[in-house]
Amino acid sequence: ELKVEQNPLFLSMQEGKNYTIYCNYSTTSDRLYWYRQDPGKSLESLFVLLSNGAVKQEGRLMASLDTKARLSTLHITAAVHDLSATYFCAVDWQGGSEKLVFGKGMKLTVNP
Amino acid sequence: NAGVTQTPKFQVLKTGQSMTLQCAQDMNHEYMSWYRQDPGMGLRLIHYSVGAGITDQGEVPNGYNVSRSTTEDFPLRLLSAAPSQTSVYFCASSLGGLSTEAFFGQGTRLTVV
Repeated sequence: ELKVEQNPLFLSMQEGKNYTIYCNYSTTSDRLYWYRQDPGKSLESLFVLLSNGAVKQEGRLMASLDTKARLSTLHITAAVHDLSATYFCAVDWQGGSEKLVFGKGMKLTVNP
Repeated sequence: NAGVTQTPKFQVLKTGQSMTLQCAQDMNHEYMSWYRQDPGMGLRLIHYSVGAGITDQGEVPNGYNVSRSTTEDFPLRLLSAAPSQTSVYFCASSLGGLSTEAFFGQGTRLTVV
């Protein structure tokens, strides 16, 4: 059974600070997805990581994938209030983006 | 572009009632999925489809039926609603293949009393 664990599940941080959040998964997969969800809203795709060593950056967020360690990180640089949201990582189950297994999500609050 | 459209946005059902959650996408995506989101649980896959006429079960399929008669539509049917089915339901679609992410609808918030 594929399990996806996120760490931490809650994070409160000050604007301007840096932080890294983690996503571990239990079985072999070469693909990992990061999504953002604002309260009461849908999920917005942030990153698709397709291979070992993949690194993608968008603004203050950078995601990486280590398939050998079954670990993805999402690094936040110089946090701003607009980054406050819940962040989910997901791994495809049996090889397709139509079958995603999600972590429980990390709720990020960035304080002024 | 409409993307993935779900209706209704909110619904209250009585225990034992049946209903259909609608999902339509206009991106000509082959792959479509239904998830439910419960507090502290992330999203869990209910059913998915890799094309018209093809559906399969996900992690939590009990109490739900699906069919896929067209590429565009993927309705989710609750046969006899139970309070445990109170949740937010998301429909997603994707192009398929190794490099594509899933696009999500706005969700349907369902309460079963």
